[in-house]
Amino acid sequence: QKEVEQNSGPLSVPEGAIASLNCTYSDRGSQSFFWYRQYSGKSPELIMFIYSNGDKEDGRFTAQLNKASQYVSLLIRDSQPSDSATYLCAVHMIYNQGGKLIFGQGTELSVKP
Amino acid sequence: DVKVTQSSRYLVKRTGEKVFLECVQDMDHENMFWYRQDPGLGLRLIYFSYDVKMKEKGDIPEGYSVSREKKERFSLILESASTNQTSMYLCATGAGGRERETQYFGPGTRLLVL
Repeated sequence: QKEVEQNSGPLSVPEGAIASLNCTYSDRGSQSFFWYRQYSGKSPELIMFIYSNGDKEDGRFTAQLNKASQYVSLLIRDSQPSDSATYLCAVHMIYNQGGKLIFGQGTELSVKP
Repeated sequence: DVKVTQSSRYLVKRTGEKVFLECVQDMDHENMFWYRQDPGLGLRLIYFSYDVKMKEKGDIPEGYSVSREKKERFSLILESASTNQTSMYLCATGAGGRERETQYFGPGTRLLVL
């Protein structure tokens, strides 16, 4: 089982709809979770992080965390064509003196005008 | 704003050449990371460092080495470049503590080895 799993997509939604991106992880001890957005040919850009169970909202983005079920999701409301990108889920794992992020393969999102 | 810069956006090298990729950050972050990203394989961690002169192997360290002589600078070295090292190389820095680190990426270097 991969440590962090995402549906590769592509996920296609019409403009104005809600896009729902999901991620599951295997390490029950993980405490922090991240969503990155990556446009084609560019580097990943941090969108949100979440540490506690429940929802965290930032503008059109909502991250949801359920540690008992080991999943984290990202909702994008009022999706825009500019949201078309690959979304990477990352889970922090403690390692030696610090930690490292384990990334999922990413979900490609396409928002159609 | 966190600023992470990488020495080159695009690089073309020959097989067998020694290649240096440099990453510089201006945020006084303790932790720095080197990843490579390939289609279908995602982001893979090559090496990371929690402090000056300190390094840890990631998931795919073979064929690479690193150097961290100053806190703000983390270099990735390909001792003898090979065609299977053609990839997008991404540097990241980390802040926030052992349990809640947030990583920020540089713009990436697209390396082609001929």
